[in-house]
Amino acid sequence: EMQLLESGGDLVLPGGSLRLSCAASGFTFSNYAMSWVRQAPGEGLEWVSAISRDGGSTYFADSVKGRFTLSSDNSKNTIYLHMNSLRAEDTATYYCATRREVPGQIYYFDYWGQGTLVTVSS
Amino acid sequence: EIVLTQSPATLSLSPGERATLSCRASQSVTNYLAWYQQKPGQAPRLLIYDASNRATGIPARFSGSGSGTDFTLTISSLEPEDFAVYYCQQRSNWPPLTFGGGTKVEIK
Repeated sequence: EMQLLESGGDLVLPGGSLRLSCAASGFTFSNYAMSWVRQAPGEGLEWVSAISRDGGSTYFADSVKGRFTLSSDNSKNTIYLHMNSLRAEDTATYYCATRREVPGQIYYFDYWGQGTLVTVSS
Repeated sequence: EIVLTQSPATLSLSPGERATLSCRASQSVTNYLAWYQQKPGQAPRLLIYDASNRATGIPARFSGSGSGTDFTLTISSLEPEDFAVYYCQQRSNWPPLTFGGGTKVEIK
């Protein structure tokens, strides 16, 4: 069965760093583009970042550009969201997501993990 | 950045009634628009993609229409499990991918 499992969420001080992981199982990871979408408590959805299935291209929302980076490790079937210079407004549940029905498609999401909570607070 | 505006913010309806949700884009997204359903404590679920195509496993009571800047999600007859928050999302001009603010469909 296809699974996406996020981890790494934590309480961090403003200005701090965190690395989120999204481990995939049950499918050929390298065939799929992956994205991160976040949701602040009680708020709507915000797309954060995406990586192409070959890992050669990454994309970021303006709100995180220059602070977040995205990488993948096909040998571990895992993508990583490296978050630096964290701000209070980065507080959210972070979901990784992909398009299971159309491998390689980067812009709609029909398969999501359960999310991991990042809290930025002093 | 394309801004998506959803209306109404809240829709109060009874089971069996028809729900009509609106999503308006700040500029044309042709038909590159999706709809998601989210229930409390759960990840979103893709309902509709490219404005009118139902995703796999989505019941026929969900339908999408529209093009350009104006889109509609219709639930023909609300089931108890349909009370949730619904989001639209565009992929026409990205990055960034953008979502609307959501419409909550609540039980009247």
